Amino acid sequence: GAVVSQHPSRVICKSGTSVKIECRSLDFQATTMFWYRQFPKKSLMLMATSNEGSKATYEQGVEKDKFLINHASLTLSTLTVTSAHPEDSSFYICSASILSGRGYEQYFGPGTRLTVT
Amino acid sequence: GNSVTQMEGPVTLSEEAFLTINCTYTATGYPSLFWYVQYPGEGLQLLLKATKADDKGSNKGFEATYRKETTSFHLEKGSVQVSDSAVYFCALSGGDYKLSFGAGTTVTVRA
Repeated sequence: GAVVSQHPSRVICKSGTSVKIECRSLDFQATTMFWYRQFPKKSLMLMATSNEGSKATYEQGVEKDKFLINHASLTLSTLTVTSAHPEDSSFYICSASILSGRGYEQYFGPGTRLTVT
Repeated sequence: GNSVTQMEGPVTLSEEAFLTINCTYTATGYPSLFWYVQYPGEGLQLLLKATKADDKGSNKGFEATYRKETTSFHLEKGSVQVSDSAVYFCALSGGDYKLSFGAGTTVTVRA
């Protein structure tokens, strides 16, 4: 099946530093990837939609200068949290979209736990 | 806009019990409806889906029927196992293929 990986799975960083999270589709090419943020005991919140070779589309309320997204290839998208603060601590999840015979389907990565101290 | 409301948990059941998780939605047009499952320490996995009214999605003993008249997509399983312990998310997708998720329901099945 379609597999999506994320790296790192956990990261702890100091306030003010930047952190990069990678999302890879391992066995398929994804023209569209999505980045979500999941708060404890709450739902996934869509942050942005990332299309290969073009600028990401951010959801309302998401700071594009703080959450930099780069979709350099059909198998890799990165999310960089710049000048991280404790309130950025969260679980970040990516997904990759593929068009199959059953329509568009999203496959999710295992997530990255970010802790900002 | 699109939104999903699902039953709050947590839900604790004994093995072989019947499970129902309610899900209702608000959407324009004719969305596709999904149930995703997140096992401990893993990413979300698609459990089942339905793309039009009266469709029934099923997988691993779970079922959900797309009810347009009640804007619902309730998840059911007749006899749960310990391995079904997970967080279950109801979601919908409109024409832009973005997913809107419910808050998730944590299910714990005890032996």
